[in-house]
Parts: sequence; C-alpha cells; structure tokens
Amino acid sequence: GDSVTQTEGLVTLTEGLPVMLNCTYQSTYSPFLFWYVQHLNEAPKLLLKSFTDNKRPEHQGFHATLHKSSSSFHLQKSSAQLSDSALYYCALSSYGNEKITFGAGTKLTIKP
Amino acid sequence: DAAVTQKPRYLIKMKGQEAEMKCIPEKGHTAVFWYQQKQSKELKFLIYFQNQQPLDQIDMVKERFSAVCPSSSLCSLGIRTCEAEDSALYLCSSSLRGADAEQFFGPGTRLTVL
Repeated sequence: GDSVTQTEGLVTLTEGLPVMLNCTYQSTYSPFLFWYVQHLNEAPKLLLKSFTDNKRPEHQGFHATLHKSSSSFHLQKSSAQLSDSALYYCALSSYGNEKITFGAGTKLTIKP
Repeated sequence: DAAVTQKPRYLIKMKGQEAEMKCIPEKGHTAVFWYQQKQSKELKFLIYFQNQQPLDQIDMVKERFSAVCPSSSLCSLGIRTCEAEDSALYLCSSSLRGADAEQFFGPGTRLTVL
C-alpha cells in the first residue's frame, strides 16, 4: 500500500538559513505528491503539489522536486522566515488509490 | 476561496456520552475525509467517502464511530460512547474527484471528553 515517511518530527532553524524538510514515499501506482502547511490554530492548507510534467512547483518561496528514482519530494526554501513556523505534512495519492495518505508531519520552528 | 464548514467548533462531553459533529463540504466536491488530530500532531485518517459512499475506514471507526453523508452537502461523524482518548480536533476535508485534487479543510471540531 501507499506510505509517506517524514523522518524529522521537529526542525528548528535560525531566520535566514535554508530549509529542507524530507519526504519519501512508497506507491504502487503513479503518484501525486503534496505538501500541506498548518499554522497554529488553523486548518491545514495546500502549499504545493507535484506536476505530471515534472515541472517544479513553487509557492511562497518554497519548492519541491519529485524524484521518482529515489521516491522523494523534499520541501526546500532558500531563506527561512519567522512566519514559516508551522506544521508541514507531506502527502501522497495516486491513480488507482485516490485516498490521500499523510506523513506524520514535521514541526518547523524558525528563531530570530 | 473554498469553504468547508464544521459544526460545532467546540464540543464537551462526559465519558460515556454520545457525540456528533457535522461537516458541510465545498459545493461540487465528491470526496469527503475525516481526520483526528491530537495536540497538533499527526493527522490520523478516519474515513473516506466518495459520492456519499464510505470507501475506506479504520477499524476504530467501524467499532465505535458512526459516519454518514446523507446528502452531498452534509456529512456527520458520531462517537457512540465517548472515551477520554477521543479528545482531539476532528478535521473534515473535501475535494473534487481525482488523484491530483487539492483537499480543502474545515476549521475542525475540538472535542473534549471529561
């Protein structure tokens, strides 16, 4: 079955440093990958998702590249901002299994 | 902007009582999901509906919960006998059909079981 692994539960960084949150997956069928972000006391919302034509999705300075060879979809940003502090979930769905599977989440804290 | 509505926002029950929470999906969305989230941690999948039919659910839901979507514009999640461990934020989301469809989440119902 489908699964998503986020190895870091907690990530703490200083403002201005680069961000990379790891996400690897297992999927039986052709996968779609997503990153959702949940700020404190808010509902999760979509940050970005993979494209079928392998274009790199970008939003709010974040980007992620789907690497099918390594089954990864790591989230990156060149320079962290205080407002990036939130919970980040990597998620997966696929043709043949449209139920989305979420990873355990990574709590990102950005310090001044 | 998409708007998934959940009611009530807060729910307090005594152990052993029944609880019910409702979700109004985004208009036109055929997929509805329920998740349980404790202490701002992992999103635990509970049940998935497609066109009002339950397609997948975890054992806990089969055993102690009741979940239905009587119409395309209303779904409900119930707990037959609340336990302390059920205290959590219950999030409902909806999406169009399709593996690449974005999920839109409601604000959640925060259940506290005393």
